[in-house]
Amino acid sequence: EPEVTQTPSHQVTQMGQEVILRCVPISNHLYFYWYRQILGQKVEFLVSFYNNEISEKSEIFDDQFSVERPDGSNFTLKIRSTKLEDSAMYFCASSGQVSNQPQHFGDGTRLSIL
Amino acid sequence: GENVEQHPSTLSVQEGDSAVIKCTYSDSASNYFPWYKQELGKRPQLIIDIRSNVGEKKDQRIAVTLNKTAKHFSLHITETQPEDSAVYFCAADHSGTYKYIFGTGTRLKVLA
Repeated sequence: EPEVTQTPSHQVTQMGQEVILRCVPISNHLYFYWYRQILGQKVEFLVSFYNNEISEKSEIFDDQFSVERPDGSNFTLKIRSTKLEDSAMYFCASSGQVSNQPQHFGDGTRLSIL
Repeated sequence: GENVEQHPSTLSVQEGDSAVIKCTYSDSASNYFPWYKQELGKRPQLIIDIRSNVGEKKDQRIAVTLNKTAKHFSLHITETQPEDSAVYFCAADHSGTYKYIFGTGTRLKVLA
């Protein structure tokens, strides 16, 4: 069964540095998402992306964050000037070729800001 | 703003018993309600979903019911097994968009 893959599985970064989290969505999916889960808390929506542009973003997704689809397979989340409170598990998800299809999640990247 | 409440936060059942997890949503425009199972340190995995045009859906030991009038939906697991132990999250789409609003999760423990 095709899966969403994310790299790295764990990223440790000094506060103030920039990080790029990488995702390879399921190959025939057209809708891409990033979610965040702070330890022990619920999953929170960050951003959705379709047709090379952001469809929707949450209040968490401020100017510190950006997303990009640099090629035909990767979908990245960049976090600039990281803060301690950015420490969380970041999940990428993708869904099919029409809207309102189930979203399938990757294994996540655990981001630790020191 | 939009919100999904989930109860209980923890649930312990004996193996073979049933488990029920309930969610309430606030956005009357929500049309799609997935349930995810998350084992420790792993990805949320879709286990069942329901759309607003049906009231109930079943897949083997798992069923979901939806009361759109009351804005309630519930997950029912019958004949629970130890491998059902995990955190379960309900979610609702926001006004028919691609954004999911998740509940706060239920930690289910199935005791052997």
